[in-house]
Amino acid sequence: DAGVTQSPTHLIKTRGQQVTLRCSPKSGHDTVSWYQQALGQGPQFIFQYYEEEERQRGNFPDRFSGHQFPNYSSELNVNALLLGDSALYLCASSLGGRGNTIYFGEGSWLTVV
Amino acid sequence: KNQVEQSPQSLIILEGKNCTLQCNYTVSPFSNLRWYKQDTGRGPVSLTIMTFSENTKSNGRYTATLDADTKQSSLHITASQLSDSASYICVASSGAGSYQLTFGKGTKLSVIP
Repeated sequence: DAGVTQSPTHLIKTRGQQVTLRCSPKSGHDTVSWYQQALGQGPQFIFQYYEEEERQRGNFPDRFSGHQFPNYSSELNVNALLLGDSALYLCASSLGGRGNTIYFGEGSWLTVV
Repeated sequence: KNQVEQSPQSLIILEGKNCTLQCNYTVSPFSNLRWYKQDTGRGPVSLTIMTFSENTKSNGRYTATLDADTKQSSLHITASQLSDSASYICVASSGAGSYQLTFGKGTKLSVIP
């Protein structure tokens, strides 16, 4: 049973460019959340998708957008990249809501130069 | 504002010794408290989940405690191993969904021979 898989694992982009990160949730999970983790910090919640809809959003600008597909996989898009967007982007999946174990992927390391 | 504070920031212990990590949270309404282990450059892995009615939960050599009255939690590691070297992140969940997670910055534990 595959866990949460993310791609790509590492990428380097230039300021102003756009990036798309991908996530496949753990088998049987229907909820996908995205987090940004800067070096030495805890993860910060970006948004969560359930039933192809954005259910909740953290304090991130509109440059951060996402999508969930019918097979529950998800994409995170970031436009007009800034140097400060350099971070580890984590995808997490769960089944439904409160109290359930959340499984994280290994993350996508984004470096903006 | 929801907050999670962890202490100490970092800790070095000898292999075989025990240690306790602390977490104070200000989250309302409180739903559950989670501890994660995160190896450097990897995604977090769930250790325990506790609701407000649970005082303690164990996962092998890891034992978490929760005092919902004082809003404090601790993670005790017994007979530490070199593989325990990682960041340990305390996460408080609020509201009706597991997506409303507030992460601490983590305690970086180094176990040395």
